[in-house]
Amino acid sequence: GAVVSQHPSRVICKSGTSVKIECRSLDFQATTMFWYRQFPKQSLMLMATSNEGSKATYEQGVEKDKFLINHASLTLSTLTVTSAHPEDSSFYICSASGLWGRDNEQFFGPGTRLTVL
Amino acid sequence: AQSVAQPEDQVNVAEGNPLTVKCTYSVSGNPYLFWYVQYPNRGLQFLLKYITGDNLVKGSYGFEAEFNKSQTSFHLKKPSALVSDSALYFCAVRDIGTSYGKLTFGQGTILTVHP
Repeated sequence: GAVVSQHPSRVICKSGTSVKIECRSLDFQATTMFWYRQFPKQSLMLMATSNEGSKATYEQGVEKDKFLINHASLTLSTLTVTSAHPEDSSFYICSASGLWGRDNEQFFGPGTRLTVL
Repeated sequence: AQSVAQPEDQVNVAEGNPLTVKCTYSVSGNPYLFWYVQYPNRGLQFLLKYITGDNLVKGSYGFEAEFNKSQTSFHLKKPSALVSDSALYFCAVRDIGTSYGKLTFGQGTILTVHP
């Protein structure tokens, strides 16, 4: 139980285009989903926290118009990188919480490698 | 505010020897503490957690960690290291009082186990 998937696993796009990354909780209802960004050999940086049906809460320094987060259902959250540029290239990881009896834990997706040319 | 420190960027150990990956934390209240492992180009895999109860926590793949409140530490240990344990390890903390379960991660420790 507590499986989280991400799609796509890798994406390469041209500068100026937008990219959407999906995060799904496959076997539980995720009341809260988190989006992280990770640079090579560095730690995870929390970008935003989203609760189903409400606006995401962004961390300081994260541009909400650049990184659009939607959490329309209890099993799906999406991160859209708008007008992507090479500096947005990174590894993006989502996590989900809300598994009954283990609501203090986050369950992580496998990550999405974004490369902007 | 909550924070986590992993004082060692890298830990090297010979296969079969015990290993320790260090972690110290700071929270205003009581902590939830976690250890995760990450293999190249993969997401995080859960190893173990401390919520309450026994200070010695046993987790996946033979790992364990000891919660020490007075030293605000949660070091990860394994009695006998395997080459396959080589990976990036993250300690994370959550203040019980925070909303939405926000985790703060340490900077990570690269563990290398030599044959």
